[in-house]
Amino acid sequence: NAGVTQTPKFQVLKTGQSMTLQCAQDMNHEYMSWYRQDPGMGLRLIHYSVGAGITDQGEVPNGYNVSRSTTEDFPLRLLSAAPSQTSVYFCASSDTRGYTFGSGTRLTVV
Amino acid sequence: GENVEQHPSTLSVQEGDSAVIKCTYSDSASNYFPWYKQELGKGPQLIIDIRSNVGEKKDQRIAVTLNKTAKHFSLHITETQPEDSAVYFCAASFMDNNDMRFGAGTRLTVKP
Repeated sequence: NAGVTQTPKFQVLKTGQSMTLQCAQDMNHEYMSWYRQDPGMGLRLIHYSVGAGITDQGEVPNGYNVSRSTTEDFPLRLLSAAPSQTSVYFCASSDTRGYTFGSGTRLTVV
Repeated sequence: GENVEQHPSTLSVQEGDSAVIKCTYSDSASNYFPWYKQELGKGPQLIIDIRSNVGEKKDQRIAVTLNKTAKHFSLHITETQPEDSAVYFCAASFMDNNDMRFGAGTRLTVKP
């Protein structure tokens, strides 16, 4: 099925650990983005990419890195996890018809 | 950057009644205003959108209105059903969906 695939669905990290959240899309969209969702705060943009090799920061980029080596993949890296990064993370890809979101990764940092 | 405010944060209606959710935005350059529905454990899904060259758009029981002068837009759901219960998000962006900013969400509950 066409869409956005995120892995893993759930993850528990210890403070200071690093990890990569994976995101892949098969719709050949140029634009991809990462959001975090926290209660009462909606979706906040972390990083986005307008095409392979091009990334930029969103509202809340600190503590996260991204890269875009292919059109299909847009991984999000947490370099040194902190409890403040406990959240649900959504990857999205889009074209002029709108955004398609993945099903999310629920991350807990203890 | 763009700032989107959404009200109310929770909304409870009786089945068959109408529901209205309102959003305001700050950047007059924004020209694309989508609405998303998020069910429990899932990612947001686009339900309707409007661009700044139109004032209203309808799709069966849902409609969106846009007032560019006042910088606000609204979602209207008529004849609500229990399956409409979800969290709804408004959003705004400029130029082909780049750097989209979301409202904080409205939890809609439709009581049977």
